[in-house]
Amino acid sequence: GDSVTQTEGQVALSEEDFLTIHCNYSASGYPALFWYVQYPGEGPQFLFRASRDKEKGSSRGFEATYDKGTTSFHLRKASVQESDSAVYYCALGESGSFNKLTFGAGTRLAVCP
Amino acid sequence: NAGVIQTPRHKVTGKGQEATLWCEPISGHSAVFWYRQTIVQGLEFLTYFRNQAPIDDSGMPKERFSAQMPNQSHSTLKIQSTQPQDSAVYLCASSSRTGGARAETLYFGSGTRLTVL
Repeated sequence: GDSVTQTEGQVALSEEDFLTIHCNYSASGYPALFWYVQYPGEGPQFLFRASRDKEKGSSRGFEATYDKGTTSFHLRKASVQESDSAVYYCALGESGSFNKLTFGAGTRLAVCP
Repeated sequence: NAGVIQTPRHKVTGKGQEATLWCEPISGHSAVFWYRQTIVQGLEFLTYFRNQAPIDDSGMPKERFSAQMPNQSHSTLKIQSTQPQDSAVYLCASSSRTGGARAETLYFGSGTRLTVL
């Protein structure tokens, strides 16, 4: 079945550091890819998505580029802030049907001032 | 737009009791999804409805769990004879069909934290 792998379980940074969270996927077909962010006590919030190879999704300074060749969708931000501290989830949605999303295990980001 | 509304926010039940969780999707959204979130398993898909019809319940435990969507404005997840291992955050999400052949974006509620003693 489809799966998503997030390499980092936890990331600790200082404010203004550069962020990379790695996401690789395995899927048959041509899935759509998503990033979600979850704050304590809340459900996951949609951050952005990309639906085709080389497409870049972005929001709030975060960005990721769909790479079909390396089956990746790495999340990056040039300068993190303490308010970015949260859990980030990469997810994929099966192509060709309107269907459920499969989520990665999540990466907990802690940003120190 | 109030977003997806889930009630109650917290529920505590004794082992063997029944728990019913409620979800009100975003108005106009045609699909409702249920997920379960635990530290160990992460976000697990349970089931989903489209236009109130059950489409995929492949993630639902076959015994004790059931879900319904009697009308377009709410869905329920019922767990009979709750067990401690059912303790989790249950998340509801809704989405609208945007056309094309790509997966939809899900919008989640804040979840119901179920604790089974």
